[in-house]
Amino acid sequence: DGGITQSPKYLFRKEGQNVTLSCEQNLNHDAMYWYRQDPGQGLRLIYYSQIVNDFQKGDIAEGYSVSREKKESFPLTVTSAQKNPTAFYLCASRGDRGLYSQPQHFGDGTRLSIL
Amino acid sequence: AQSVAQPEDQVNVAEGNPLTVKCTYSVSGNPYLFWYVQYPNRGLQFLLKYITGDNLVKGSYGFEAEFNKSQTSFHLKKPSALVSDSALYFCAVRDGYGGATNKLIFGTGTLLAVQP
Repeated sequence: DGGITQSPKYLFRKEGQNVTLSCEQNLNHDAMYWYRQDPGQGLRLIYYSQIVNDFQKGDIAEGYSVSREKKESFPLTVTSAQKNPTAFYLCASRGDRGLYSQPQHFGDGTRLSIL
Repeated sequence: AQSVAQPEDQVNVAEGNPLTVKCTYSVSGNPYLFWYVQYPNRGLQFLLKYITGDNLVKGSYGFEAEFNKSQTSFHLKKPSALVSDSALYFCAVRDGYGGATNKLIFGTGTLLAVQP
């Protein structure tokens, strides 16, 4: 089945540590997105990528970094500069870059907590 | 600037009764509107969208939504609620003139609780 796989499902970070969240899709989608979800705040866009080797900052990019070396993969690193990383992180993808009416497809998320 | 408002944090409805989850939006061009549902510890699942055409849009699991341009609303509806519909619902909007980014703006979510 085609879909988006996020791993791990749960992740714990120590103070001063960088952690990387994995997002892999086999939908052959060009565009990929990372969102952060906090209770009562909806989804906020961290980074997005419309094509391989290109990505842009979203609304809350500080303390995060990404790479897009392959079409299928869009890993997110939560750096030690992100002082409040505890949240539910969602990865999404969208196909047909020229058809902006297409919905985004989401993975099942990674829940990150501070130790 | 684009924005989406979901005025109700929670909606309670009895099983078998009709349900409505409200959404209003603000965009500079023609809106692309979406509804998603989220079950606990899961990602968002797409329910339906409005791009153009008929103001009443039908989607998955018996849900529908009515686009009202004059009221800038896109309320989600279902004629008869099921207990299994209990979940968190998100409305999202994209500005039709937004260029190549296709960024979505999400509302804060409405928790739907259906009582048996």
